[in-house]
Amino acid sequence: SQQGEEDPQALSIQEGENATMNCSYKTSINNLQWYRQNSGRGLVHLILIRSNEREKHSGRLRVTLDTSKKSSSLLITASRAADTASYFCATDDVGSNYKLTFGKGTLLTVNP
Amino acid sequence: KAGVTQTPRYLIKTRGQQVTLSCSPISGHRSVSWYQQTPGQGLQFLFEYFSETQRNKGNFPGRFSGRQFSNSRSEMNVSTLELGDSALYLCASSPDAGRKETQYFGPGTRLLVL
Repeated sequence: SQQGEEDPQALSIQEGENATMNCSYKTSINNLQWYRQNSGRGLVHLILIRSNEREKHSGRLRVTLDTSKKSSSLLITASRAADTASYFCATDDVGSNYKLTFGKGTLLTVNP
Repeated sequence: KAGVTQTPRYLIKTRGQQVTLSCSPISGHRSVSWYQQTPGQGLQFLFEYFSETQRNKGNFPGRFSGRQFSNSRSEMNVSTLELGDSALYLCASSPDAGRKETQYFGPGTRLLVL
């Protein structure tokens, strides 16, 4: 079953703009991760935020986590055409025996 | 280090047949997880193997099975294929069993069932 639900399902922006994607989940988590997938290929791990963290940065990426609202957001600043991809959140749920549960993803299109 | 490799990359089968997919994890990684990705259901966890033992299993019928060898390479098998099994099958490796801080994914095997 899907734990994380990304919002929006699709996002189209111009190069240089910021892109924000949201993820909501339902149960308690150990950590939440964001992955990128280019056109039906393998997933690439972007960033992980633990349940006791509120914000993390990695390069142009900023992730926030609000455990009270069971939600996370991924911000990509100064987007580039190469950022065009699908972005997935994945949760390591408490009691799940360490398996990741993925959302259905946000398709980001960055227009040159 | 070489990344996660999956073979074959593309596969076409007919209903009722069976298929075996292979995954070689990053050298030194002992945990291999398998996922099915479809447009309708998204990414769904199939199972995880560590030290040749299945540690975790998703909600898939018994037609889906897997195994892991002593060199950590893993195979998954789908018997009596159905049209709905058409999907991208992804495997991911991580150094150890336990909390999945980072998983390294292979490029996937795209299976089409006719």
